[in-house]
Amino acid sequence: EIVMTQSPATLSVSPGERATLSCRASQSVSSSLAWYQQKPGQAPRLLIYGASTRATGIPARFSGSGSGTEFTLTISSLQSEDFAVYYCQQYYNWPPLTFGGGTKVEIK
Amino acid sequence: QVQLQESGPGLVKPSQTLSLTCTVSGGSIRSGGYYWSWIRQHPGKDLEWIGYIYYSGATYYNPSLKSRVTISVDTAKNQFSLKLSSVTAADTAVYYCARKSDGYNVFDFWGQGTLATVSS
Repeated sequence: EIVMTQSPATLSVSPGERATLSCRASQSVSSSLAWYQQKPGQAPRLLIYGASTRATGIPARFSGSGSGTEFTLTISSLQSEDFAVYYCQQYYNWPPLTFGGGTKVEIK
Repeated sequence: QVQLQESGPGLVKPSQTLSLTCTVSGGSIRSGGYYWSWIRQHPGKDLEWIGYIYYSGATYYNPSLKSRVTISVDTAKNQFSLKLSSVTAADTAVYYCARKSDGYNVFDFWGQGTLATVSS
């Protein structure tokens, strides 16, 4: 099973600033990596798949990069609605499909 | 726009079977190359993929849960279901149904989730 590790656990950022979130895989997942956003009381929402392709309707301030074992989600200028928990998910080697433990982006 | 809605008992006794149903609206469960999925989120926030099913009945399960999980589909009702047997407190979680996108093993539409608590 591929283990996904996200860091940091919590990221404190001021509105308008850039946020950089990391996701590491225990072995290569090529570019088979997705990112989700989850707000309190809501289901996760797909942001990025294929490591860097934005899902339908996702603003351009969200960008993904990386391949192999190291991935990054960047939010270029944080808006109030972006404060949430972010998860990565690998789909290269499955079953099982596996998720990271999440990074909470909070207001500084 | 596809919508998914989970339903089922919120409280299950230990050793019994948890049963949930997901109703799909805004599209046919038979359409496209979509698979219909169950994912759960424990109170500590970790997400765990349980498995998914194609409208034909083909299933894929998480090996860690495979011995206890059955996912089935009812195309006439546009629904799919989850049964998880021999539950313990560790199965207490919010259970989401979701659609696996066509072509990628990612989840593009989700239900709102339903909390299932295992307790006597």
